[in-house]
Amino acid sequence: EAQVTQNPRYLITVTGKKLTVTCSQNMNHEYMSWYRQDPGLGLRQIYYSMNVEVTDKGDVPEGYKVSRKEKRNFPLILESPSPNQTSLYFCASSSRGDSNQPQHFGDGTRLSIL
Amino acid sequence: GNSVTQMEGPVTLSEEAFLTINCTYTATGYPSLFWYVQYPGEGLQLLLKATKADDKGSNKGFEATYRKETTSFHLEKGSVQVSDSAVYFCALNTNAGKSTFGDGTTLTVKP
Repeated sequence: EAQVTQNPRYLITVTGKKLTVTCSQNMNHEYMSWYRQDPGLGLRQIYYSMNVEVTDKGDVPEGYKVSRKEKRNFPLILESPSPNQTSLYFCASSSRGDSNQPQHFGDGTRLSIL
Repeated sequence: GNSVTQMEGPVTLSEEAFLTINCTYTATGYPSLFWYVQYPGEGLQLLLKATKADDKGSNKGFEATYRKETTSFHLEKGSVQVSDSAVYFCALNTNAGKSTFGDGTTLTVKP
């Protein structure tokens, strides 16, 4: 089954404790992206990757890191999480980065930073 | 930068009512436009898309037309069902890889 898998689905942690949210897709997609969803703000793009070893900032990259060493994986790293990063996070992928490709989304990761 | 503005929600309708959710955008170049739907506890799913001016996207009874002159992509359905209750997002993509989403509109359909 074609899917985007995120782990963990839920995480409660404390300020300053490094964490990684993994994202993996099994569709051989070139393009991957991370979003955060906050009430009243919709989805905001954090980082995206057009292909292996190619990443770029979205609209809200501060406090996050990403890497794209393999085509299928695109982890999101919070080096020193803070309470304002409490949010619902989604990973997405599409076959290519050109504009007419729809994105496939994971089921989300709910992060709470205390 | 790019932006997407959706009509404010929530929207509550009776079954079989007509639905319109307004979406307008600002963007440089020629973006592609999308509607996604999100059911509780799940990720977003593509509902329909349009990639150039005057294109009409349609799926499951929903329709939206890419109007360049009014920079709009309004979502419509002639007769909603209880199962259509969800959050609907309008979005645009550019060739540079950036995606911009609206704030989402929550639709509740009552029997």
